Amino acid sequence: GESVGLHLPTLSVQEGDNSIINCAYSNSASDYFIWYKQESGKGPQFIIDIRSNMDKRQGQRVTVLLNKTVKHLSLQIAATQPGDSAVYFCAENINNAGNMLTFGGGTRLMVKP
Amino acid sequence: DTGVSQDPRHKITKRGQNVTFRCDPISEHNRLYWYRQTLGQGPEFLTYFQNEAQLEKSRLLSDRFSAERPKGSFSTLEIQRTEQGDSAMYLCASSLVEIPSYGYTFGSGTRLTVV
Repeated sequence: GESVGLHLPTLSVQEGDNSIINCAYSNSASDYFIWYKQESGKGPQFIIDIRSNMDKRQGQRVTVLLNKTVKHLSLQIAATQPGDSAVYFCAENINNAGNMLTFGGGTRLMVKP
Repeated sequence: DTGVSQDPRHKITKRGQNVTFRCDPISEHNRLYWYRQTLGQGPEFLTYFQNEAQLEKSRLLSDRFSAERPKGSFSTLEIQRTEQGDSAMYLCASSLVEIPSYGYTFGSGTRLTVV
């Protein structure tokens, strides 16, 4: 079936650099996307979301970009810090699919000091 | 209220035994969700409650799985006759409105190991 997926399983960056985590989705009916951060032994933590009528949304040190033409989502983290080390998931909600979120497989971000 | 609480945090059980997990959502949240997460994968939707009504169930929720939310507050997820393939992290989440702008609030999960 249609699903959300990620391009890179592991991303290693130097502290202070910017990080970009990518996600591809295949369902054109998806209308809401969320990025989650998950640290070891914890549940997913909301980072930022975006609706399909937008192409960019900014938060504190994070920016989400949505390209509906190629069904691509990215999370940009500015000035990456050691505390950003975690697994990052993108998730989508498909219009009229109720309250279910479909998650991708995750990207592990490792920040080198 | 400190968020979504799940109990126990870890459970080891022998194959064939029954297990039950509990989730206490954020008190004012009327929506509650169960997800399952295997190592290295994203969470997979299992079921959803609005108040005490179970409104959605995934095909992943086999006959051995049952979830309840009897009073519209806490919820339980029971797995009967556990199998090794049931080993996973079981996550609970809650929300006040449908797909709110802040996403769900997840608990820390119950990690089940079936031996």
